[in-house]
Amino acid sequence: KAGVTQTPRYLIKTRGQQVTLSCSPISGHRSVSWYQQTPGQGLQFLFEYFSETQRNKGNFPGRFSGRQFSNSRSEMNVSTLELGDSALYLCASSRVTGEAFFGQGTRLTVV
Amino acid sequence: GNSVTQMEGPVTLSEEAFLTINCTYTATGYPSLFWYVQYPGEGLQLLLKATKADDKGSNKGFEATYRKETTSFHLEKGSVQVSDSAVYFCALSGLRSNDYKLSFGAGTTVTVRA
Repeated sequence: KAGVTQTPRYLIKTRGQQVTLSCSPISGHRSVSWYQQTPGQGLQFLFEYFSETQRNKGNFPGRFSGRQFSNSRSEMNVSTLELGDSALYLCASSRVTGEAFFGQGTRLTVV
Repeated sequence: GNSVTQMEGPVTLSEEAFLTINCTYTATGYPSLFWYVQYPGEGLQLLLKATKADDKGSNKGFEATYRKETTSFHLEKGSVQVSDSAVYFCALSGLRSNDYKLSFGAGTTVTVRA
């Protein structure tokens, strides 16, 4: 059974640009969550989507947005990138029993 | 709100030593508790979980017991190996309220020397 797939694995962007990250959940999982991991702030919850609806949102500015498609695949977008957005972005998919399964992450570097 | 506090380390051990990582939580309702492990350059892997008080989660020689009276979920392993070197995260979610958001501790870096 395929795991959670995140693309791309690595990205380098310039300040002010925008970026879109993609996540394909495990087949049958309808919940997709996104987390930001940095050395200073640790793992922080960004948002969760369930059946194409945002069900929960963390404390991030509006530059961070996401969406989920009918096949449960999800994308997150960050606009007007700042140096502080450099981080590992992790996607997790969950089934009804709630355990979260994580992808390998996308390492975003803003220069 | 929900929060998790875990010992930050780093922790350095010799092979076959006993490992314990303390984790305490603050939560409303009845959270589910998890331990995740992260190897260098990778995402998080679910190590074990417990969904109600007095449950014991176990996997790969690791164990943790959900203690509601002390709001704790300490991770233990009786004999560590070099391959156990990783960062360990304690986490909670309010699964019973259909809330899949995970709140994580700061992570504990464990290094096991041969």
